[in-house]
Amino acid sequence: DAGVTQSPTHLIKTRGQQVTLRCSPKSGHDTVSWYQQALGQGPQFIFQYYEEEERQRGNFPDRFSGHQFPNYSSELNVNALLLGDSALYLCASSLGIEAFFGQGTRLTVV
Amino acid sequence: AQSVTQLDSQVPVFEEAPVELRCNYSSSVSVYLFWYVQYPNQGLQLLLKYLSGSTLVKGINGFEAEFNKSQTSFHLRKPSVHISDTAEYFCAVSDLAGGGNKLTFGTGTQLKVEL
Repeated sequence: DAGVTQSPTHLIKTRGQQVTLRCSPKSGHDTVSWYQQALGQGPQFIFQYYEEEERQRGNFPDRFSGHQFPNYSSELNVNALLLGDSALYLCASSLGIEAFFGQGTRLTVV
Repeated sequence: AQSVTQLDSQVPVFEEAPVELRCNYSSSVSVYLFWYVQYPNQGLQLLLKYLSGSTLVKGINGFEAEFNKSQTSFHLRKPSVHISDTAEYFCAVSDLAGGGNKLTFGTGTQLKVEL
């Protein structure tokens, strides 16, 4: 079992650009959540997808959007990047209560 | 709304000494509680979880935690730490509202084990 896999591992973007991050859940998991972890902080919940629908959303602007595909994989899109969007983006998959996290994508906005 | 407070941002400890990392939470409903560990440049790994039942929960790598409902605490303990335990530790509470399992995390405690 490959666990939760995220791509890419690192990314550098310029202010104003758009970025897409990808996540493949652990085998058998149907729910995918995305978190943003700024340097020195705990992860902050962005949103969660279940059955291809956004089920819950945290306090993030509409620049942050997502998608879940029929195979349960997911994408996180961020438009009009700001310097403050620089962070580690974590994907977590679950089937029930326990969440399993990927290694994250380190996004740097310059 | 739920929140988690980790009272210590850094905890230095000598190898083979015991350690306690403190976590307090606030919630208006029943909660599930978790401790995760994060090594440098990596994702989060689940150490242990409290869902129901016994208030003393045992996890991986010799860690354990005790759920105290009256004090709204879920402190993490290990009787004897090793250098390899040096990492960031996060306490989290699960919000099952809306059918999901959104996690609310604390700000983390950096455990530094010294020789």
